[in-house]
Amino acid sequence: AQSVAQPEDQVNVAEGNPLTVKCTYSVSGNPYLFWYVQYPNRGLQFLLKYITGDNLVKGSYGFEAEFNKSQTSFHLKKPSALVSDSALYFCAVRDDRSTLGRLYFGRGTQLTVWP
Amino acid sequence: ETGVTQTPRHLVMGMTNKKSLKCEQHLGHNAMYWYKQSAKKPLELMFVYNFKEQTENNSVPSRFSPECPNSSHLFLHLHTLQPEDSALYLCASSPQRASTDTQYFGPGTRLTVL
Repeated sequence: AQSVAQPEDQVNVAEGNPLTVKCTYSVSGNPYLFWYVQYPNRGLQFLLKYITGDNLVKGSYGFEAEFNKSQTSFHLKKPSALVSDSALYFCAVRDDRSTLGRLYFGRGTQLTVWP
Repeated sequence: ETGVTQTPRHLVMGMTNKKSLKCEQHLGHNAMYWYKQSAKKPLELMFVYNFKEQTENNSVPSRFSPECPNSSHLFLHLHTLQPEDSALYLCASSPQRASTDTQYFGPGTRLTVL
């Protein structure tokens, strides 16, 4: 079975500090991993994805994520947080064995960056 | 968000009403999706269309009826809904249904059922 866990409902960080939003996954085959961000009253915006290759993936707005196969994790990171990064972040996974291409989402992590 | 548009953005309806949600994508994609987003719950996939053909119905009640007249447009027809159907309904599209494809989302329709 495929699943995603975001262990923290809420992450708070001061502006200028590094931030990490955690994600772990479970798939039968190899994972394809995605991060999305959702601002209030908006849809989900794609940030980055890992398909294959370099374990460190760089995405939009200065975000990056590191794929760790042994720990089945794909944590989202940013070296210096901005107040405007405050939003709801979703991790999602697909199994490379899946013929349906269904994305499985985590419950989301609310990131608040304090000025 | 201009790639995938949804109308209306907000909808209030009674349980006996019939209404429709519209989604349009301007990305040249061939796969389209309906999701339901409720508070404190993971996104729920409702329907998947690939080249206008429905390929997945995730055990959605029949009071939700999708329609995909072409690869650019997707509708969700609503009738005799329940208050628990109140949620944000998100449309998404992707180039194909491939596992590596990114899904791009619209802004959603906030539905309130009275």
